[in-house]
Amino acid sequence: DTEVTQTPKHLVMGMTNKKSLKCEQHMGHRAMYWYKQKAKKPPELMFVYSYEKLSINESVPSRFSPECPNSSLLNLHLHALQPEDSALYLCASSHQQGEAFFGQGTRLTVV
Amino acid sequence: AQSVTQLDSHVSVSEGTPVLLRCNYSSSYSPSLFWYVQHPNKGLQLLLKYTSAATLVKGINGFEAEFKKSETSFHLTKPSAHMSDAAEYFCVVKETSYDKVIFGPGTSLSVIP
Repeated sequence: DTEVTQTPKHLVMGMTNKKSLKCEQHMGHRAMYWYKQKAKKPPELMFVYSYEKLSINESVPSRFSPECPNSSLLNLHLHALQPEDSALYLCASSHQQGEAFFGQGTRLTVV
Repeated sequence: AQSVTQLDSHVSVSEGTPVLLRCNYSSSYSPSLFWYVQHPNKGLQLLLKYTSAATLVKGINGFEAEFKKSETSFHLTKPSAHMSDAAEYFCVVKETSYDKVIFGPGTSLSVIP
């Protein structure tokens, strides 16, 4: 199994809503990532978890809250988002020296 | 700190002609380097990777890249472009010491029939 599975594929939420994005991998990877990608831009790193501990936070606003319940799962909790947070959110995982495997992403629209 | 520069934001080639997409990197340590492709409204697909083995790396769909440490470059090439190669290409650097994976700004490849 070389897949990273993200749910949901699409999400529309209001600025007062609370929602969560989910990501799952069963490749035994030690590192898991959240990226944000705006149209015609490269993915921007948001968070990195290494061995289930948050190792990198790229100064992301607190309305985004990551969680790693176990080595296979990664969540991104969303609260009080702004319209400019609308984007494709990508999850990835990797071994130490290997490539990152990406999910298909969640396309988020904040209204 | 690590960073990636892709010298061309857009490259246009005729079908059947060679492709060259340029990438330069900056890294404090010995990095791993990758090229990913993203077709419109699709996910990211790995084309090839360099992880300190052979400096000339072959990937999928006829692509290859050469790691040149002295030039801090990792340029992507293909001998003959196909229409299906039209997409966005990202050069990516990873510092294995702390799992940080950073994307270059991307190069949009157009293939003219």
